[in-house]
Amino acid sequence: SQQGEEDPQALSIQEGENATMNCSYKTSINNLQWYRQNSGRGLVHLILIRSNEREKHSGRLRVTLDTSKKSSSLLITASRAADTASYFCATDGGMDSSYKLIFGSGTRLLVRP
Amino acid sequence: GAVVSQHPSRVICKSGTSVKIECRSLDFQATTMFWYRQFPKQSLMLMATSNEGSKATYEQGVEKDKFLINHASLTLSTLTVTSAHPEDSSFYICSAEDAPQETQYFGPGTRLLVL
Repeated sequence: SQQGEEDPQALSIQEGENATMNCSYKTSINNLQWYRQNSGRGLVHLILIRSNEREKHSGRLRVTLDTSKKSSSLLITASRAADTASYFCATDGGMDSSYKLIFGSGTRLLVRP
Repeated sequence: GAVVSQHPSRVICKSGTSVKIECRSLDFQATTMFWYRQFPKQSLMLMATSNEGSKATYEQGVEKDKFLINHASLTLSTLTVTSAHPEDSSFYICSAEDAPQETQYFGPGTRLLVL
C-alpha cells in the first residue's frame, strides 16, 4: 500500500525557476528517500534523509524533513529541461519492516525550455 | 551508484504463456531484492521481497503462485509471471538492496504486454 501523498501531482515551470515538491507519510520512519524516474525508465536514487536530520543538500537539491508533521519537501533550484521527470518520495517501514520502501504517489515535473 | 540490470527490457506474449524476468546486481551482492509493479502514471507498488536462499515474502493481495520469485544467488533474482493475462500487462521494476548504503538501487524496468 502507498505510504502517503505527494503534491502537487503535476508541476509545470519555466527553465531557471525553482521546483518544490511535497510528500506526506503516515507511519514512523527511520529514513526518507527521494527518487527520480524518467518516463518508462527505472528509478534513480537522489537523496536519503534520516529521521534525526532536518535538512540535506546535494547539488541543486535541497530536502527537508519534518517528522512532527510527517512531511518532507524536495526543492530543485535553477531547474533545467533535463530535470523533467517524475519524482517519488519513499519511506522505510519504520521499526517493524525497515527494509521495505513505500512510495508516495509521485509528482510529474515538466520544465519548459 | 551501484548498477542493477533487468532482462528483458520489454516483452510481448500471448495470453496463457509464462514470462520470466531477470534482475541482476552487477557490482554488489544483494541478499535482498524487491519486485515492484507500476501502472501508467501511477506509483510503484511493492509486490514481494526476494531473499537469497529462502522463500520470497509477498505483499497482501499478490498471488504467490502466479508471480514466482527465485533468488538463487546474491546477484540474481527472477520473477516469473505464470499463465499471463492481459491484466498482468504492466511495468515491472526490481531493486537490489545495498545494505551498507541503506539504499535500494533500481533496475531499468521490464515492460510486459500480454495480448
